[in-house]
Amino acid sequence: DQQVKQNSPSLSVQEGRISILNCDYTNSMFDYFLWYKKYPAEGPTFLISISSIKDKNEDGRFTVFLNKSAKHLSLHIVPSQPGDSAVYFCAAAGNTPLVFGKGTRLSVIA
Amino acid sequence: GAGVSQSPSNKVTEKGKDVELRCDPISGHTALYWYRQRLGQGLEFLIYFQGNSAPDKSGLPSDRFSAERTGESVSTLTIQRTQQEDSAVYLCASSSAWDSYNEQFFGPGTRLTVL
Repeated sequence: DQQVKQNSPSLSVQEGRISILNCDYTNSMFDYFLWYKKYPAEGPTFLISISSIKDKNEDGRFTVFLNKSAKHLSLHIVPSQPGDSAVYFCAAAGNTPLVFGKGTRLSVIA
Repeated sequence: GAGVSQSPSNKVTEKGKDVELRCDPISGHTALYWYRQRLGQGLEFLIYFQGNSAPDKSGLPSDRFSAERTGESVSTLTIQRTQQEDSAVYLCASSSAWDSYNEQFFGPGTRLTVL
């Protein structure tokens, strides 16, 4: 049973517009959430995180929102750039090793 | 300093053969993790090492999988009697300490293809 779900396998967005990537989780023991970005033939790299005591964390063009009651988080990228084209993984942490979603492939079209 | 490195980058093997995958973590990182990503799937946790503590092997899918780590340095993931379902990208990551809250730094992965 998947504890971290990314229901959209892919997303296409025009350059300059907002990209919104969604993630749902089922385990209420998760208290820290991370987003990783992965380019082809490279390992994932850490992008941004959020603790469960917050509902928003912003870093430049990237903002992560957390809705604990809905067990939902989202990553907003604005404005989207062609270099943002990659696979984005949502991950959740608690008293266990990180649990990753299946990823969403973002394509930013110039 | 250098990041996490893995070798080989690609490995093609025949069903039933054994394979060894190597990971060199970032120097000074006490925690080391192995993950697997099969086609269309997320990263699947396999095993982690933290210092001299006993490794957490809870993610290993079968007893054909094993891993070792020399001190706080190199790790080797061994798959015996490979099966086609073992085909995946095997990723190694390291972090400065084990808990899920520490950023993990990933290597580029080893793509394993079992024919």
